[in-house]
Amino acid sequence: SAVISQKPSRDICQRGTSLTIQCQVDSQVTMMFWYRQQPGQSLTLIATANQGSEATYESGFVIDKFPISRPNLTFSTLTVSNMSPEDSSIYLCSVTGQLGSEQYFGPGTRLTVT
Amino acid sequence: AQSVTQLDSQVPVFEEAPVELRCNYSSSVSVYLFWYVQYPNQGLQLLLKYLSGSTLVKGINGFEAEFNKSQTSFHLRKPSVHISDTAEYFCAVTRRGGSNYKLTFGKGTLLTVNP
Repeated sequence: SAVISQKPSRDICQRGTSLTIQCQVDSQVTMMFWYRQQPGQSLTLIATANQGSEATYESGFVIDKFPISRPNLTFSTLTVSNMSPEDSSIYLCSVTGQLGSEQYFGPGTRLTVT
Repeated sequence: AQSVTQLDSQVPVFEEAPVELRCNYSSSVSVYLFWYVQYPNQGLQLLLKYLSGSTLVKGINGFEAEFNKSQTSFHLRKPSVHISDTAEYFCAVTRRGGSNYKLTFGKGTLLTVNP
C-alpha cells in the first residue's frame, strides 16, 4: 500500500482565516480523495481530485469553501477557507490501491477553529 | 446510491472474549465491502476487504468478516480480543465496477476492550 503523509498534523486557527492542508504520496496515483470527519462522526467525502482536471465535489461542498489543487500524481492540497468553528474536524486524504477498489488513508489533519 | 448501517455504536467486551461488530448495507448494484479501524488520534487502516470469491474474508490482527448477500451483511468477528483492539471500526462500501471508487461509510462502532 502507498505511504501517505499530511501536513500539518494539527492546527488551531481563528475564524475567518484559511488553512491549506498538504497530502503527499510516495508513489504515483491517479485518484486522490479528501474526507472530513467531524467530532464523533463518520467520514464524509468532500471531493475527488484527479491530476489534470478539476476536482469533483460532493453534494454540500463547494469549491469556494474547499478549493483543491492536484499539480502532479503524488501531491494534493485542500484549503479550508473563511473558517468557522463548524469547520473543526479531522481532514483526511486517501488514494486508491493498485486494484483500484480499496482506499488507503493518510494520518489526518486535526483542525480546531476558535 | 449505497448506504451502510452499523447496528451498534458502542461494544464493550472483556479481554480474550469473542466479538462481533455488525454491518448491513443497502445497494441496488453489486458492491465491494471494507472494514477500517481507527486507533485514537490516528488515520484509518484497512482491516480487510471483500471483492469477490470466498465469502469469508480474513484480515489483519486476527479479524475476519463474512459477506452474506441474501442478508446484505458484512459482520466483523474476532475470536479473542486484546486490549490493543480498542478502537473505532468503520464498515464501508463502494460500487463494484464503478469509475469513481467513492466510499460510503457507516457511522462507526467503538470497540472497548476491558481487562
